[in-house]
Amino acid sequence: ETGVTQTPRHLVMGMTNKKSLKCEQHLGHNAMYWYKQSAKKPLELMFVYNFKEQTENNSVPSRFSPECPNSSHLFLHLHTLQPEDSALYLCASSQVGGTDVLTFGAGSRLTVL
Amino acid sequence: KQEVTQIPAALSVPEGENLVLNCSFTDSAIYNLQWFRQDPGKGLTSLLLIQSSQREQTSGRLNASLDKSSGRSTLYIAASQPGDSATYLCAVRELSGQNFVFGPGTRLSVLP
Repeated sequence: ETGVTQTPRHLVMGMTNKKSLKCEQHLGHNAMYWYKQSAKKPLELMFVYNFKEQTENNSVPSRFSPECPNSSHLFLHLHTLQPEDSALYLCASSQVGGTDVLTFGAGSRLTVL
Repeated sequence: KQEVTQIPAALSVPEGENLVLNCSFTDSAIYNLQWFRQDPGKGLTSLLLIQSSQREQTSGRLNASLDKSSGRSTLYIAASQPGDSATYLCAVRELSGQNFVFGPGTRLSVLP
């Protein structure tokens, strides 16, 4: 595996379900990000982790809960979501203090019914 | 608050044309600026990164320029091909924090 891998690629869930999105980076980067991409809106930063410590939380509702157990893995735990949370969730990584090129995964397409 | 805009929102050109995409940002206190392309339903692919101290970067048929003082960047695509059809996004890395602020993108169609 190379680059940034996201699973699942597609997820359909009800408003009362609990699910998780997973991201893994194989680049040796020290920072990982969650972005949300909704139709007709620019990418919105949700969370940033640098060396496993959360450094940014962009006023995200508590129904989204991130977890970064190590510098290679990032999770986004989802519970009691709303239909307006349906979007493409993108994970990215970068080497802060290095090249700083932001490398993205293919995304997880979430639909909340 | 940093805001990034891109003009035009959409562009359709015949194959072979040279074209320019524009990106503007409101706060010149940036660390770097990156250009990405996104194919439908997929993630973003980094094309070029320009550090705040640089004026331009080139990769193949792509050339990106940065004028930090005026808050502008352009992406020049030479001899466009149908495979260039995608949405192109620019993003600025703010000096404070680790946020990359994205523009809404320019949707490019190159017609054979």
